[in-house]
Amino acid sequence: AQTVTQSQPEMSVQEAETVTLSCTYDTSESDYYLFWYKQPPSRQMILVIRQEAYKQQNATENRFSVNFQKAAKSFSLKISDSQLGDAAMYFCACGGSNYKLTFGKGTLLTVNP
Amino acid sequence: DSGVTQTPKHLITATGQRVTLRCSPRSGDLSVYWYQQSLDQGLQFLIQYYNGEERAKGNILERFSAQQFPDLHSELNLSSLELGDSALYFCASTLTPEGRRMTFGSGTRLTVV
Repeated sequence: AQTVTQSQPEMSVQEAETVTLSCTYDTSESDYYLFWYKQPPSRQMILVIRQEAYKQQNATENRFSVNFQKAAKSFSLKISDSQLGDAAMYFCACGGSNYKLTFGKGTLLTVNP
Repeated sequence: DSGVTQTPKHLITATGQRVTLRCSPRSGDLSVYWYQQSLDQGLQFLIQYYNGEERAKGNILERFSAQQFPDLHSELNLSSLELGDSALYFCASTLTPEGRRMTFGSGTRLTVV
């Protein structure tokens, strides 16, 4: 079984600033992978970034990067140079060999101009 | 456009009724997943199909059923609907059954009145 916890229901950031969203997880799997998904008001679930647990190097995708701390079971998302279009609900998710993703409750990110 | 097509986008129906939600996976993807997103439960995995066969089952009620057809599209059938079934239902697809690069559709918003 997997659990994913996002302890920040809401976060806000000024445009062009940096923000970090927190996520902790628990899994009994040895081979698992982690995701951050973005859900804007359009409600589409958009994959932001993914990380496979066996990789020590933190994933990066343009302005998005993660801090993966395997021993601490922590997987935070850093958004640099925040843009108005980054405003959305962000979900952390964990997947393993049982094929399904377990999602956290989400963090609502507001970007202030 | 993610390539995963869900119809209808919105559905309003009465309690006790039955509805069918349809999903066409991204071209080339063989695996289809169904998720339910509600305010109280968050995003929950319902069921997965791979190349026509059921592969994994999550928190899916007995009143719900699904199938994947030879052309790989999938249908989620919800019957004896209750007010609590009101939610956003997502379909997602991947090439392989492991779900490591999941692409989501835009969802079907079901409202039970």
